[in-house]
Amino acid sequence: ELKVEQNPLFLSMQEGKNYTIYCNYSTTSDRLYWYRQDPGKSLESLFVLLSNGAVKQEGRLMASLDTKARLSTLHITAAVHDLSATYFCAGSQGAQKLVFGQGTRLTINP
Amino acid sequence: GAGVSQSPSNKVTEKGKDVELRCDPISGHTALYWYRQSLGQGLEFLIYFQGNSAPDKSGLPSDRFSAERTGGSVSTLTIQRTQQEDSAVYLCASSLRQPGGPGGELFFGEGSRLTVL
Repeated sequence: ELKVEQNPLFLSMQEGKNYTIYCNYSTTSDRLYWYRQDPGKSLESLFVLLSNGAVKQEGRLMASLDTKARLSTLHITAAVHDLSATYFCAGSQGAQKLVFGQGTRLTINP
Repeated sequence: GAGVSQSPSNKVTEKGKDVELRCDPISGHTALYWYRQSLGQGLEFLIYFQGNSAPDKSGLPSDRFSAERTGGSVSTLTIQRTQQEDSAVYLCASSLRQPGGPGGELFFGEGSRLTVL
């Protein structure tokens, strides 16, 4: 059964700094998703990564997928306060349910 | 509507009462999920419906929990004899198709916050 693990689970950083959130998964995953959740809100889709080597960027966020290493990363460049949120990655095997990681709570301080 | 709609948005109930939570997925979406999220925690999978296939109920925490999806559209999650530990936000999500193929991206509703006193 697919298992998805994120690290770190908590991350506090200063504005302007760069950092990376890691998402490891246990078995083959057909695709990898990243979601954002603001406090008290629902989840918002950020990226869908379809194949090995896939890289997607939106503003200060960039996601990548290495299927051989079973690893996806979410890189934050020159962080700003507005990026404070909880970030989830999720994977799937075929038609089976989407499996989520534990989430990374990101706090960006001025 | 344009997105996944859940009702009620907030529900306060007494221990031992039954509750029903409703989810209207995006029109045409074949896959529907229920997740539970306790305060400050991650997503706990509850149940997954995909088209006409038998639902994956492997995440339901006890036999007090059940869900159905009528006509491949609206879903109702029922919790019988509620307990305080059932207090959480119950999130519904739908996707156009199954997760492993095109259109597998999930779209989430705003959730139903359940408080059991």
